[in-house]
Amino acid sequence: AQSVTQPDIHITVSEGASLELRCNYSYGATPYLFWYVQSPGQGLQLLLKYFSGDTLVQGIKGFEAEFKRSQSSFNLRKPSVHWSDAAEYFCAVGGGYQKVTFGTGTKLQVIP
Amino acid sequence: DVKVTQSSRYLVKRTGEKVFLECVQDMDHENMFWYRQDPGLGLRLIYFSYDVKMKEKGDIPEGYSVSREKKERFSLILESASTNQTSMYLCASSLTPGNTIYFGEGSWLTVV
Repeated sequence: AQSVTQPDIHITVSEGASLELRCNYSYGATPYLFWYVQSPGQGLQLLLKYFSGDTLVQGIKGFEAEFKRSQSSFNLRKPSVHWSDAAEYFCAVGGGYQKVTFGTGTKLQVIP
Repeated sequence: DVKVTQSSRYLVKRTGEKVFLECVQDMDHENMFWYRQDPGLGLRLIYFSYDVKMKEKGDIPEGYSVSREKKERFSLILESASTNQTSMYLCASSLTPGNTIYFGEGSWLTVV
């Protein structure tokens, strides 16, 4: 069965610092991979997705993620974090007719 | 732009009441989902519908039912609301089950 692990429940970074959120997945074939962001009290918004092709994917709000098949990872990165990036981030895996599975989320706190 | 609309953002209901949560999508998607989100538990799938009048139980269907009479509309029904159903409910849709999922803004339900 497919699964997603986000090993960090909470992460705190200083504004302007770089960010990396970790995501590991388990999937039997070539996965579709997603990162979503959720601001407090809101629904989930798609940040970026990987289906195929270039393993470095650019998303909205200056985020990027890299698919590493050998490590079964899809880590999310941002070179310089802004206070407005404070939110919860969800990694997810799916593919074709396999329903998408979500990780349990990483809460990002940004300190001035 | 993709749009999933949940008609009620905030509801307060009494124990034992029948509760309807309505969701409409404008993307002509075959697949629609209802998730429940609780702190520390991530997103849990309640029900999934892959076509009009077709449904499939998710991970936590007990105490819930769904209705999909039209392609664009997916309703979640709590037959007899209980306090342990106090939660945030998220509706979503996608082209195929494993593809990009688009979420509504969420419905906060409090059962007293």
